[in-house]
Amino acid sequence: QKEVEQNSGPLSVPEGAIASLNCTYSDRGSQSFFWYRQYSGKSPELIMFIYSNGDKEDGRFTAQLNKASQYVSLLIRDSQPSDSATYLCAVNIAGGTSYGKLTFGQGTILTVHP
Amino acid sequence: GAGVSQSPSNKVTEKGKDVELRCDPISGHTALYWYRQRLGQGLEFLIYFQGNSAPDKSGLPSDRFSAERTGESVSTLTIQRTQQEDSAVYLCASSFPSPTSGSFADTQYFGPGTRLTVL
Repeated sequence: QKEVEQNSGPLSVPEGAIASLNCTYSDRGSQSFFWYRQYSGKSPELIMFIYSNGDKEDGRFTAQLNKASQYVSLLIRDSQPSDSATYLCAVNIAGGTSYGKLTFGQGTILTVHP
Repeated sequence: GAGVSQSPSNKVTEKGKDVELRCDPISGHTALYWYRQRLGQGLEFLIYFQGNSAPDKSGLPSDRFSAERTGESVSTLTIQRTQQEDSAVYLCASSFPSPTSGSFADTQYFGPGTRLTVL
């Protein structure tokens, strides 16, 4: 089992719809959870992170975390064509000798069509 | 201000040659990470530096891979005797402890990457 797994996609949604991206993780010691967006040929950029169970909202983006189910998701409301990108889920296991080390999923390609 | 920079942006080499990739972190960032991204895949952790020491080298795929860092500045990733499976984008990130959480994970900034192609 991979440490971080995402829907393989690709995911296609119409403009204005809600895009839902999902991620599961295997290590119960995971402490913080990240969503990155990566445009083709570009480096990842952080969208948001979440530490606590529940929802965290930032503009059109909402991250949802359920530690009991080891599940984290990203909702994008009012999807725009400019949201078309690969979305990477990443987790951090606090402590140890690798402060800040991120373990990434394989990414989900999102296409928002007009 | 300046972000993380990496050079070269593209490198094409022949199998068996050595290559050196460079990362210039954001000034003041004590932590530096190297990741590898194969085509269509997520990022794989390679190595982490805190200052010029490397507490975690667990992601380096083989002894052909090595990295060093000068103080809290430039880092180089060296791949000896390159193989075709080394072809990937090599990404560097730097970070500092978050003022709110103290975590280095919240504040990682990625460079543009070096695309390595081994023929």
